[in-house]
Amino acid sequence: DAKTTQPTSMDCAEGRAANLPCNHSTISGNEYVYWYRQIHSQGPQYIIHGLKNNETNEMASLIITEDRKSSTLILPHATLRDTAVYYCIVRATMNRDDKIIFGKGTRLHILP
Amino acid sequence: GAVVSQHPSRVICKSGTSVKIECRSLDFQATTMFWYRQFPKQSLMLMATSNEGSKATYEQGVEKDKFLINHASLTLSTLTVTSAHPEDSSFYICSASEVGGGNTEAFFGQGTRLTVV
Repeated sequence: DAKTTQPTSMDCAEGRAANLPCNHSTISGNEYVYWYRQIHSQGPQYIIHGLKNNETNEMASLIITEDRKSSTLILPHATLRDTAVYYCIVRATMNRDDKIIFGKGTRLHILP
Repeated sequence: GAVVSQHPSRVICKSGTSVKIECRSLDFQATTMFWYRQFPKQSLMLMATSNEGSKATYEQGVEKDKFLINHASLTLSTLTVTSAHPEDSSFYICSASEVGGGNTEAFFGQGTRLTVV
C-alpha cells in the first residue's frame, strides 16, 4: 500500500505558484520523499526528492516539515504544460531495488 | 537524465495471441527493473520486479504464467503477455534505477499501450 495521502485534485491559475501537499506520517528515518508526475499517456517523470532539508531544482521546490510527516511540492510559475497527475512517494534510496508503490496522486489542472 | 525506452509504444493484437514488450535502459545498467500496469483514470499498479539473471518476483494477484518476464542483460527486460484477452488491454510501463550510479531516482519508460481485440 502507498504510504502517502494526497488530495484527489487541485486547480491553479496559469502563472501562479502551485502548491501540492502530501502527508506521509509513517515515514521511516531512512526514507526519502520523491515526487513524480505523469502527463496524460506518458510514463512518470521524476521531479525532485529530499530527505529532511528543503530542496530546489529547475523544475520545483520541495518543502519538508521538520517532523517529516508532510511535505509540499511547489511549482513556482505554473504553465498549462504542468497539467498532470502528481505522485508523492516515500522510498529508501540506499536500496535501488526497493519497489516504488504509487498512490492515487493529485490531478493538477492549470487554468488559463 | 538517464533514459529508459520501451518498444513498441502502441500495439494492437488479436485475442489469444502473445505480445512482447521491451524495456531498455539506454545509457546505464540496471540489475532491477519494474513493470507496472495502468488502467484508464487509475494509478500505476506494480506487477512484478524483474531481476537480471534470475526469476522475476510477482506481486500478489499477478499471474506469472500469463505475464512472462525475462531480464537477460543489464540493459534489457521484456514482458510477454501470453494468450492475451481484451481485459489485458492496458498501459504497461517499466522503470529502472542505475546500478551503482550517483542518481538515485528511478526512470520510467514512455509506456506501451496494448489493445487486445
